[in-house]
Amino acid sequence: GENVEQHPSTLSVQEGDSAVIKCTYSDSASNYFPWYKQELGKGPQLIIDIRSNVGEKKDQRIAVTLNKTAKHFSLHITETQPEDSAVYFCAASLLNTGNQFYFGTGTSLTVIP
Amino acid sequence: NAGVTQTPKFQVLKTGQSMTLQCAQDMNHEYMSWYRQDPGMGLRLIHYSVGAGITDQGEVPNGYNVSRSTTEDFPLRLLSAAPSQTSVYFCASGQGNTIYFGEGSWLTVV
Repeated sequence: GENVEQHPSTLSVQEGDSAVIKCTYSDSASNYFPWYKQELGKGPQLIIDIRSNVGEKKDQRIAVTLNKTAKHFSLHITETQPEDSAVYFCAASLLNTGNQFYFGTGTSLTVIP
Repeated sequence: NAGVTQTPKFQVLKTGQSMTLQCAQDMNHEYMSWYRQDPGMGLRLIHYSVGAGITDQGEVPNGYNVSRSTTEDFPLRLLSAAPSQTSVYFCASGQGNTIYFGEGSWLTVV
């Protein structure tokens, strides 16, 4: 089955700096890669996703890049703010196969004011 | 719009007891699933369902049962709780390629 690895497990940045979280996947058939943000005591929420036919996608301060050849994808957060502090999970899946996601182990991001 | 609702939020069980975690969604999603979240291990799929009357095992199904009699509800049953089942449990529902998580259920087995 699919194996998703995520690094780093913890990340601290100064407010205004950028944060980068990296994930690798093992199954070359995976073609959908969402990122989830989990705030303390809450369930994960989708923040951005990318499909394998796209190399990069941006949404305001958040961007995701995908390298299919190397089987890795990354989340980039620019101009970080204290409210960005949370746990971030990457995931890999096959489109339209019943939503079976394989999650990374999570990155705890702390933005220091 | 309630989304995905899980009950109870917190539960303490004794080893060997049984209980059911409830999950309901009001978005008419065909897909529902249960994950457990443990420190350093991310979210692992327990069971999932692609529609009423259809369930299947995920990555870590042992010790858990599910059923899907209606589109809205997808309960998770622990028949004989073990300390290894101490975890945070998330129910999710989805349509297409997006899944929505509930707020979680914190379960402690002593």
